[in-house]
Parts: sequence; structure tokens; C-alpha cells
Amino acid sequence: SQQGEEDPQALSIQEGENATMNCSYKTSINNLQWYRQNSGRGLVHLILIRSNEREKHSGRLRVTLDTSKKSSSLLITASRAADTASYFCATDASNTGKLIFGQGTTLQVKP
Amino acid sequence: GAVVSQHPSWVICKSGTSVKIECRSLDFQATTMFWYRQFPKQSLMLMATSNEGSKATYEQGVEKDKFLINHASLTLSTLTVTSAHPEDSSFYICSARVAGGYYNEQFFGPGTRLTVL
Repeated sequence: SQQGEEDPQALSIQEGENATMNCSYKTSINNLQWYRQNSGRGLVHLILIRSNEREKHSGRLRVTLDTSKKSSSLLITASRAADTASYFCATDASNTGKLIFGQGTTLQVKP
Repeated sequence: GAVVSQHPSWVICKSGTSVKIECRSLDFQATTMFWYRQFPKQSLMLMATSNEGSKATYEQGVEKDKFLINHASLTLSTLTVTSAHPEDSSFYICSARVAGGYYNEQFFGPGTRLTVL
């Protein structure tokens, strides 16, 4: 079953603006991961944050994790048209590699 | 970097036929591979966990006799959709977990789009 809920479902911004996506989950986790998927393509791993971490950065990406609220956010700063894609959070509850994906946020960055 | 390939990238078949999809880890060994299904504009749903040398573990609601999984080597897992019907049309994606990897290092294939007429 899907345990991740993401909002917004769709987001449209202008190039240069920041984009924030949120993910909530239901059970305790070992880690949470964010992925990007361009239309009709496979997934690209963006970042993994462990349950004992609160914030992580990678380039223009910033991920936060609040285990007390069972939520995470992905911030993309200074967005580019090439960031247009769907973004999914995925949780691993048992470190087995079995990922439960959220519903995803479709991001459109207008040039 | 670790690369996972899938073959074919797309397939169109007639209702009632069986279709085999291959998932290969090209430059690393994967004791575990995962198969996901994604319907249009939806998220990925885990179908099964494929372990090298043992039977696959299926998620609830996934018919193991319809979706046959074989993980014969550390670099290859296959998913066979038997007696495919139009409702099986979907995007099938595999991922491979690095054997002995740190945390959950896993890499996704590019997906296979199945269309059943």
C-alpha cells in the first residue's frame, strides 16, 4: 500500500523561483528518499536522508525530515526549466530496500 | 556509476500472450531486485522483491502466477507477464540493490512500457 502523501500534487513556477514539495508518511522509517522522474522515463535518485538526520543538502536541493510529524520536504532553489519533472518521496521502513512511494508532485518550471 | 538496464524498453502484444521483461545490473552485483508497476499519472507500486537464488516475495494483491519472477544470477532478474490482458498495460520498472551496499543504495532501470491490445 502507498504510505506517502505528497503535496502539492502539481506545482507551476517561473524559472529562478524556489519550489517546495512536501511528503507525509504513516509508519516509522529507516530512511526517506527523493526521486525525480521525467515523463515516461525511469527514476533518478536525488537524495537519501536517514531517520536520525534532520536536514541534508545536495547542490540546489535541500531536504528536511521531521520524524515526529512523519513528514519531509524537498526544496529546489533557483529552479530551471530542466527541473520540470515529477518528484516522488519514498520510504524504507526496514532497510530492506523495499520502497513505498508517495503519490508524487508534478513540477513545471516555466522559462 | 551503477547502471541498470531493462529490455525491451517498450512492447506491444496481443491479449493472451506472455511477455518477458529483463532487468540487468550492468556493472555491479545485485542480490535483490525489485519490480514496480506504474499506471499513467500515478505513482510506483511495488509488485515483488526478487532475491537471487530464491523465490520472489510478492506484495499483497499481486498474483504470483500471473507475474512470474526469476532471479537466476546476481545481475539478471526477469518478469514474465503471463496471458497478458489490456488491464496489464502499464510501465514496469525494476530496481537493483547493491550487494553489501551502504544503506539502500539501489538503482532504477529506465522502465518498460507494456501495451496489451
